[in-house]
Amino acid sequence: AQKVTQAQTEISVVEKEDVTLDCVYETRDTTYYLFWYKQPPSGELVFLIRRNSFDEQNEISGRYSWNFQKSTSSFNFTITASQVVDSAVYFCALREETSGSRLTFGEGTQLTVNP
Amino acid sequence: EPEVTQTPSHQVTQMGQEVILRCVPISNHLYFYWYRQILGQKVEFLVSFYNNEISEKSEIFDDQFSVERPDGSNFTLKIRSTKLEDSAMYFCASSDQVGINSNQPQHFGDGTRLSIL
Repeated sequence: AQKVTQAQTEISVVEKEDVTLDCVYETRDTTYYLFWYKQPPSGELVFLIRRNSFDEQNEISGRYSWNFQKSTSSFNFTITASQVVDSAVYFCALREETSGSRLTFGEGTQLTVNP
Repeated sequence: EPEVTQTPSHQVTQMGQEVILRCVPISNHLYFYWYRQILGQKVEFLVSFYNNEISEKSEIFDDQFSVERPDGSNFTLKIRSTKLEDSAMYFCASSDQVGINSNQPQHFGDGTRLSIL
């Protein structure tokens, strides 16, 4: 079974729209860590945000915000007022306490922001 | 801001040849990783390395693969006899997490695109 599911394969929005990227995870661990990474067309992987399983406080950082809900095993990521430079593949990743340090990535969501 | 650097950015190799991918992790980091991403697919964990030994490896990391930290700064991935299916983007990452109870992110390099002909 997939441990990290990103059901949205592709999303296309117009600049200045808000967009939410969904992530659902599966784990039996009580302690785990969730991350979002961005992969622009140039190919590098850029760390964006992280959340611990024991901290459900949702936060806003600039145009980014995230909604972590343990009850539904979801860790959604929102970009407010999207810009063309936000166009990239976004990966959700999970690190489980019992799985050492490996990250398990989702399939990724291709976000295209059109001018 | 310190970053992970990888060389070369693109490597083209004949099938059956050995290839070494090189990485310089962030200097104060203690944990090092290799991941790969086959074109259009998700990023997959290969191996983690700590205290000069492999701490964890995936089922992908078979006997054809090896890692080494030959000096205080470089971290290498060797593929002994490359196959067509080894064609992928290979990412090196590092983190400064100490102990398992840490949420420190892994910082990735720009990747090496490996093309096997």
